[in-house]
Amino acid sequence: QKEVEQDPGPLSVPEGAIVSLNCTYSNSAFQYFMWYRQYSRKGPELLMYTYSSGNKEDGRFTAQVDKSSKYISLFIRDSQPSDSATYLCAMRESGGSYIPTFGRGTSLIVHP
Amino acid sequence: EAGVVQSPRYKIIEKKQPVAFWCNPISGHNTLYWYLQNLGQGPELLIRYENEEAVDDSQLPKDRFSAERLKGVDSTLKIQPAELGDSAVYLCASSFTGATEAFFGQGTRLTVV
Repeated sequence: QKEVEQDPGPLSVPEGAIVSLNCTYSNSAFQYFMWYRQYSRKGPELLMYTYSSGNKEDGRFTAQVDKSSKYISLFIRDSQPSDSATYLCAMRESGGSYIPTFGRGTSLIVHP
Repeated sequence: EAGVVQSPRYKIIEKKQPVAFWCNPISGHNTLYWYLQNLGQGPELLIRYENEEAVDDSQLPKDRFSAERLKGVDSTLKIQPAELGDSAVYLCASSFTGATEAFFGQGTRLTVV
C-alpha cells in the first residue's frame, strides 16, 4: 500500500459544479498537506497548503484536512473549463528532509 | 521574474545513448530538486540539493544517473546509458530552504526508443 492514495479518475463534471477531490494517507507524522494543479505538458503548481488539521479557503478553492481519518479534500466551487487539469495531493512531515510524498493525481475535466 | 527553466523540453534518444537535462532555478533558491514523473503518476524525488551539496540522493540510480549543481545555482542531470524504462518526464523544482512551496519547471519529456 502506498503512503498516499489518490483516485486517478478521470472525473468529469459540468461547468458550475462543485468538485470534490480526495486523498488518503497512512503516515500519521504528515503535518503539511498540499494541493498542486498540473496542466497537460506543464509542471505542477502549488494551489494551497494547510498545516495540521482544519480548513483553508482561497477564492473558489477550499482545502480540508481530517487527521483523525487520515483524509484530505480539495473542493472547487463554480468549476470552470479552465480548471480542467490533474490535481496532485502531496504531504510531508514537519521536520526532517522536507521532501513531500505525492499522490498519483486525479484528472479533472470540466465541460461547458 | 522568470520561473524555473528547464531544457530541453523534449528529447528522443536511442537506448544506450547518453542524455543530459539542464535546470536553472529561481534566483535565491538554495534548494533544488530533480523529480521523475511517469505517466499517470505523481512526481518521485531523485535528488535534492542544498546549495552545492546533494543531501538526499537515496532514490537516484547511481549506476546510470548522475547529477551536479556547480556553484549552487544551475544543475545538470545525466543518464548514461539510457534504457527504455527511463522514458518519463524529468522535473526540476526549487525553493527556499525548508519552505513548503516548491516551484516546478515545465519538465523535460524523455523518450527512449
